[in-house]
Amino acid sequence: FMLTQPHSVSESPGKTVTISCTRNSGSIATNYVHWYQQRPGSSPTIVIYDDSQRPSGVPDRFSGSFDTSSNSASLTISGLKTEDEADYYCQSYDTTNQVFGGGTKLTVL
Amino acid sequence: QLQLQESGPGLVRPSETLSLTCTVSGGSMSSNSFFWGWIRRPPGKGLEWIGSIYNSGSTYYNPSLKSRVTISVDTSNNQFSLRLSSVTAADTAVYYCAGPLWRRFDNWGQGTLVTVSS
Repeated sequence: FMLTQPHSVSESPGKTVTISCTRNSGSIATNYVHWYQQRPGSSPTIVIYDDSQRPSGVPDRFSGSFDTSSNSASLTISGLKTEDEADYYCQSYDTTNQVFGGGTKLTVL
Repeated sequence: QLQLQESGPGLVRPSETLSLTCTVSGGSMSSNSFFWGWIRRPPGKGLEWIGSIYNSGSTYYNPSLKSRVTISVDTSNNQFSLRLSSVTAADTAVYYCAGPLWRRFDNWGQGTLVTVSS
């Protein structure tokens, strides 16, 4: 299966942005979806795991969900800050494969 | 918290084999439920899963790379390794090791840039 994300999104500081991740085959609900943030020059860090769980240290401005009707998962970031500017990747799996979405470049301007 | 660190040559010639090692510290990698993976990010592109290995030695590879990839584990030395054969310029990327679960990658190494060039 594949996961499709928008190539880029942009929004102003203080606003809310949602990044989608659409699964092309099989149900989005079958396996957990996780979200990673990657800033330039740094390794990816997980910001949402198991669809909607937030690791300790990640602000509650970050939230995750999924929608079976659109077969997609979403990462929502509210109260945008300039430090949120980064690449974001969704990731899921099946019994033998790991799959990353193509990544979304978030610009906060 | 587990820490991971990649090591290996930063330059590989075309048609040769890329070899990287990941050293795990801050805990034992011997848990029966642990999986360890390699992921890469080519310049200007997104993350690509290369493959994963279970502590028992079972391996899972990206179908697009399967014919060229070998991942092995040495739990006694807290290390796991990647070998990618017959490399081309398309294999130039930052390579990351990560773990320790199958379903997600909680811990990542800092990444190492491998350039394929003569």
